[in-house]
Amino acid sequence: KNEVEQSPQNLTAQEGEFITINCSYSVGISALHWLQQHPGGGIVSLFMLSSGKKKHGRLIATINIQEKHSSLHITASHPRDSAVYICAVFSGTYKYIFGTGTRLKVLA
Amino acid sequence: DAGVIQSPRHEVTEMGQEVTLRCKPISGHNSLFWYRQTMMRGLELLIYFNNNVPIDDSGMPEDRFSAKMPNASFSTLKIQPSEPRDSAVYFCASRQQGAGAQYFGPGTRLLVL
Repeated sequence: KNEVEQSPQNLTAQEGEFITINCSYSVGISALHWLQQHPGGGIVSLFMLSSGKKKHGRLIATINIQEKHSSLHITASHPRDSAVYICAVFSGTYKYIFGTGTRLKVLA
Repeated sequence: DAGVIQSPRHEVTEMGQEVTLRCKPISGHNSLFWYRQTMMRGLELLIYFNNNVPIDDSGMPEDRFSAKMPNASFSTLKIQPSEPRDSAVYFCASRQQGAGAQYFGPGTRLLVL
């Protein structure tokens, strides 16, 4: 079993839908990082969280340290949101533990 | 501010050739990471430098791979000789020591024929 699990693995949505991507982890962490990778593209940092909630535009990320769970929400989804979303946890050393990624496709 | 810079962005080479990938970290960042990404294995950490010193190279696949960081603003990852199974996207990332977030470069897409 992976130390960092994401769900769903694949997600197809219609433009405008509210989207939730989940990340559960089994190790102690000091922070969690949400990353975005467009097809054939680089890896972009979205949020780094250690508690609570962060919002940037249509993206909202939450984390519950006690439950070892984080969610990434996209409101009013758009085809340009189509990408792989990666959850990475940081346990205070230098290493990330990466989730398996969630492949999102938003249809126009 | 410029982000992490990698070159080349794409590389196509023949088996047996030497390949050198380059990375310039974000100014002021003193930790640098090289990753390899494949469909089968996802993102794998190859090597981690802190203050230009290699700290963890346990992810370097074999002796054909080597990495250097001669100064705080430049690192190279070399594959010699290259093999088709080395085909992947290679990412460089940097961060400030003590801060968790790593910032990734655009990657180098390597195809070894």
